[in-house]
Amino acid sequence: EVQLVESGGGLVQPGGSLRLSCAFSGVNVSPNYMTWVRQAPGKGLEWVSVIYFGGTTYYADSVKGRFTISIRESKYTLFLQMNSLRTDDTAVYYCATISAVTGPIDSWGQGTLVTVSS
Amino acid sequence: SYVLTQPPSVSVAPGKTAMITCGGDNIGHKGVHWYRQKAGQAPVVVIYYDADRPSGIPDRFSGSKSGNTATLTIARVEAGDEADYYCQVWGGGSDWVFGGGTKLTVL
Repeated sequence: EVQLVESGGGLVQPGGSLRLSCAFSGVNVSPNYMTWVRQAPGKGLEWVSVIYFGGTTYYADSVKGRFTISIRESKYTLFLQMNSLRTDDTAVYYCATISAVTGPIDSWGQGTLVTVSS
Repeated sequence: SYVLTQPPSVSVAPGKTAMITCGGDNIGHKGVHWYRQKAGQAPVVVIYYDADRPSGIPDRFSGSKSGNTATLTIARVEAGDEADYYCQVWGGGSDWVFGGGTKLTVL
């Protein structure tokens, strides 16, 4: 079973930047994809970004050009660099694993809260 | 992009059956996954690929699909089933899509 622990959330002003990290571990860990999903306060789940272990990345239109997903495989760490933050980026950000592109989001971290406010 | 539509809320008495729907164009050609999210917690998969159940999820939970609608059915509902439920598909290309979520209230 995979364990995922996010960090790096906090309060940031509009236009600012923040980098989220997600440490993952577990016996026989071999997810094929890792992803970030967010949830604004009182709202539903929104997919943000995915990275394939081959390096391919995809982004939701709402964050394209502002967010960058990356992974440091040797340290089992996933990142989300968030620039030009807006108030509507305020949310709990979850990192998670996907085994197959058409498959479910298997394992989730507990999330880290990002608040964008002046 | 692809859209999934869920009812905002469903209410059911304990011991009865709850059915939560998820509508989408050509959903019959997509694998539908269902998540349960209790207050303050991360989502958990309860059904994957339309009707498969992960280990640890009781057999009271089942999934089905017909036409443009997928359905999550919870039999013999318990107070502990109260949560938000989301459907999700891979919409193709670079599109992982969630439904808007359904709040299940146990009366």
